[in-house]
Amino acid sequence: QQQVKQSPQSLIVQKGGIPIINCAYENTAFDYFPWYQQFPGKGPALLIAIRPDVSEKKEGRFTISFNKSAKQFSLHIMDSQPGDSATYFCAASLMNRDDKIIFGKGTRLHILP
Amino acid sequence: GAVVSQHPSWVICKSGTSVKIECRSLDFQATTMFWYRQFPKQSLMLMATSNEGSKATYEQGVEKDKFLINHASLTLSTLTVTSAHPEDSSFYICSPRTGNTEAFFGQGTRLTVV
Repeated sequence: QQQVKQSPQSLIVQKGGIPIINCAYENTAFDYFPWYQQFPGKGPALLIAIRPDVSEKKEGRFTISFNKSAKQFSLHIMDSQPGDSATYFCAASLMNRDDKIIFGKGTRLHILP
Repeated sequence: GAVVSQHPSWVICKSGTSVKIECRSLDFQATTMFWYRQFPKQSLMLMATSNEGSKATYEQGVEKDKFLINHASLTLSTLTVTSAHPEDSSFYICSPRTGNTEAFFGQGTRLTVV
C-alpha cells in the first residue's frame, strides 16, 4: 500500500511559470510533511516542510498548501527558473516518534528557459 | 542545516566482494540512522533502521545478512554490502535523525558491481 501518493510523475513548465506538485497521504497520524529536492547523483535536500496545524507555509519562492481534512498537500514554485529543474519528492513522517520518512514516487520537473 | 558526510560518493567493485559505506553526522548526535536505496528514476526505499548500540531493523525483502549495518556511535554508521552482485548496483543514501528534528540526508553513494 502506497502511503504517500504523488502526482504528476513529470512536469514541464516555461520559465516564470508556477509548477504545482500534489501529494496525498493515508495515515492521519503523520505530523510532518517535508518536500525534498534532488539533483542527479546527489542525496535529497530538504526544501520546505509543514506541520498539520497550519494550512500554508511559504519560504522564498516555495509554498506548501496543506489540507488536513482532504489529507492532501501541494508544492508551488513561484517564478520558476531553469535551475529549479530537478526531481521533487513529497514525504510524510511521525516526527515526534523520530520515525522514518515515507517518500512519494517523485516528480521530475523541467523548467524551459 | 545539519552536516552529514557520506563516503565514498561512488564505488565500483567486482562481484563477490564486499563494500563498506560510511555515514557521519558531523554536528549532531544521531540516535537513529536510516539507510535508503534508490534505483534510477525511482523513489527512495527504506532498507533498514538502526538505533545507536542496537541491532538494525530491516524492511521486508531486505536481506540482513547481505546488508550489514553497524551503528556503534552517535556520529557514525556503516552499511556493508557483502558478496555484492550486479543487482545490488544502486544509489545508497543514509539519513541520521535525532529527537524531534527534521531529517537530513547524506550525499549518497553510487555503487556499481561489475
